[in-house]
Amino acid sequence: DGGITQSPKYLFRKEGQNVTLSCEQNLNHDAMYWYRQDPGQGLRLIYYSQIVNDFQKGDIAEGYSVSREKKESFPLTVTSAQKNPTAFYLCASRRGQGILNTEAFFGQGTRLTVV
Amino acid sequence: DAKTTQPNSMESNEEEPVHLPCNHSTISGTDYIHWYRQLPSQGPEYVIHGLTSNVNNRMASLAIAEDRKSSTLILHRATLRDAAVYYCILRANSKLTFGKGITLSVRP
Repeated sequence: DGGITQSPKYLFRKEGQNVTLSCEQNLNHDAMYWYRQDPGQGLRLIYYSQIVNDFQKGDIAEGYSVSREKKESFPLTVTSAQKNPTAFYLCASRRGQGILNTEAFFGQGTRLTVV
Repeated sequence: DAKTTQPNSMESNEEEPVHLPCNHSTISGTDYIHWYRQLPSQGPEYVIHGLTSNVNNRMASLAIAEDRKSSTLILHRATLRDAAVYYCILRANSKLTFGKGITLSVRP
């Protein structure tokens, strides 16, 4: 089945460690997105990519890094510079670079806890 | 980027229609209006979108004001499974920016 997969569902890390969250899609979508959600809050955009080997910062990119070496994959690294990394992280993809009326598909999210 | 304004929360009774409002007074002519909903502990899912005309699909209807400065998502018969956070967003470029949404509670 086509879809977007995030792994793992739950992740625990010690403070000061970098951690990479996986996002894979087999929908042949051009655009991919990473969001962060804190309890009772909406989604905040971290990074997005419209095409392979290109990505742009979202509203809260500090302390995060991404890569887009393959169309199917858009991993997010939460670095030790991120002051409050504990959150629910969501990845999304969307068909069509520059097309505005296509829907986005979301993964089931990764809940990261840093202790 | 044009922004949207939604009430924080709304309550509905099961099997009754629900009208979820969204204001977007700074909308531009090329902005599409999209609605997504998020069930607890899940990623958001697409509901519906439109540009100028009202739209219907199997999940909901979208009524867009003539001046496009507001829109309303209509759930024709609310069920308990419709309890979620509903996001109204505008798409003018490749960014996909969400606000806090409106939390819909459905009473049995």
